[in-house]
Amino acid sequence: EAQVTQNPRYLITVTGKKLTVTCSQNMNHEYMSWYRQDPGLGLRQIYYSMNVEVTDKGDVPEGYKVSRKEKRNFPLILESPSPNQTSLYFCASGRDYEQYFGPGTRLTVT
Amino acid sequence: DAKTTQPPSMDCAEGRAANLPCNHSTISGNEYVYWYRQIHSQGPQYIIHGLKNNETNEMASLIITEDRKSSTLILPHATLRDTAVYYCIVKDFGNEKLTFGTGTRLTIIP
Repeated sequence: EAQVTQNPRYLITVTGKKLTVTCSQNMNHEYMSWYRQDPGLGLRQIYYSMNVEVTDKGDVPEGYKVSRKEKRNFPLILESPSPNQTSLYFCASGRDYEQYFGPGTRLTVT
Repeated sequence: DAKTTQPPSMDCAEGRAANLPCNHSTISGNEYVYWYRQIHSQGPQYIIHGLKNNETNEMASLIITEDRKSSTLILPHATLRDTAVYYCIVKDFGNEKLTFGTGTRLTIIP
């Protein structure tokens, strides 16, 4: 089954404690991206990757890092999380006209 | 990418056709119209896309006006499971980035 998986699905952490949200796709897509969704602000792109070792900033990259060492994986790294990064995060992969989104990771930073 | 305008909310009776409008008056010649939906807090799901001809797939139909300044997504026989936020997006076919607006919250009434 074609899918995008994210882990963890829910995470509560404290300010400053480094964390990684993993994202994996099994469709051999070159393009992958991360979005965050906040009430009233909608979905905003954080980072994207056009291929292995090729990443670039989206609209709201501050406070985040990503890496793309393999085609299937695109982890999102928060090296020093802050409360304003409390959000619902989605990973996506795609090709041509269709993008597939993961189930989301709900992150709370206290 | 051109911007889109959608009504914030709509209701539709179960079993009836749901017609969701979208205005994109500044669309350029190489930009396509895409529709995605998001059910509750799940990841967005691709529905359909088109350039200038009407399109139909197993989920929906897309009607694009001749001047391409507006379009309508049609769900022919709405069910309760179609309750979701529907996003109309215009972008170049080769540009993978999706820019989400606020969408239309469609509620299917039993």
